[in-house]
Amino acid sequence: GNSVTQMEGPVTLSEEAFLTINCTYTATGYPSLFWYVQYPGEGLQLLLKATKADDKGSNKGFEATYRKETTSFHLEKGSVQVSDSAVYFCALSSHEAAGNKLTFGGGTRVLVKP
Amino acid sequence: GAVVSQHPSWVICKSGTSVKIECRSLDFQATTMFWYRQFPKQSLMLMATSNEGSKATYEQGVEKDKFLINHASLTLSTLTVTSAHPEDSSFYICSAGTGVYEQYFGPGTRLTVT
Repeated sequence: GNSVTQMEGPVTLSEEAFLTINCTYTATGYPSLFWYVQYPGEGLQLLLKATKADDKGSNKGFEATYRKETTSFHLEKGSVQVSDSAVYFCALSSHEAAGNKLTFGGGTRVLVKP
Repeated sequence: GAVVSQHPSWVICKSGTSVKIECRSLDFQATTMFWYRQFPKQSLMLMATSNEGSKATYEQGVEKDKFLINHASLTLSTLTVTSAHPEDSSFYICSAGTGVYEQYFGPGTRLTVT
């Protein structure tokens, strides 16, 4: 079956530091990959996505590249801000999964200190 | 655009009673709605998938008689937790699917059963 593994947190950084959150997946076929972010007290928001190999998703300074050869979709940001403190979820949606079901990783809590 | 609301945002109920949670897509029609459960500091667990006008499809291990899902229209789905017990206390999140592989999430409902 499908699965997503992402690095455990919490990750604590200083403002303007570089952030990487590793995400690897197992899936049949050619899944679409997503990063969702959950700010404190809020619901999940789509941060970025990539629907095929070598695609790069980007938004709000975050980037992730769909690497089929390593089955990875690592999230990066060059200079984090305090407002980036949140929980980040890597997810996939398999073309072969009925109903567009998403499979989530365990989430990584990021805390950015001023 | 693509806003999903949930009501209530927080509910406390006594053991043995039933609680209904509403999920609405405010500015779009959702062919599919999903219900998730999120335990503290953990990832989202898909409970069921519902399509408008048809019965929900439950994930393995989810009791369909306990978690009743109704998808009455393209903008409304409800989750009723019947005969709630303290172990049902959790954060319940809905999402609405549109197009291909995208889901928009509600802010969640925190259920506490005393």
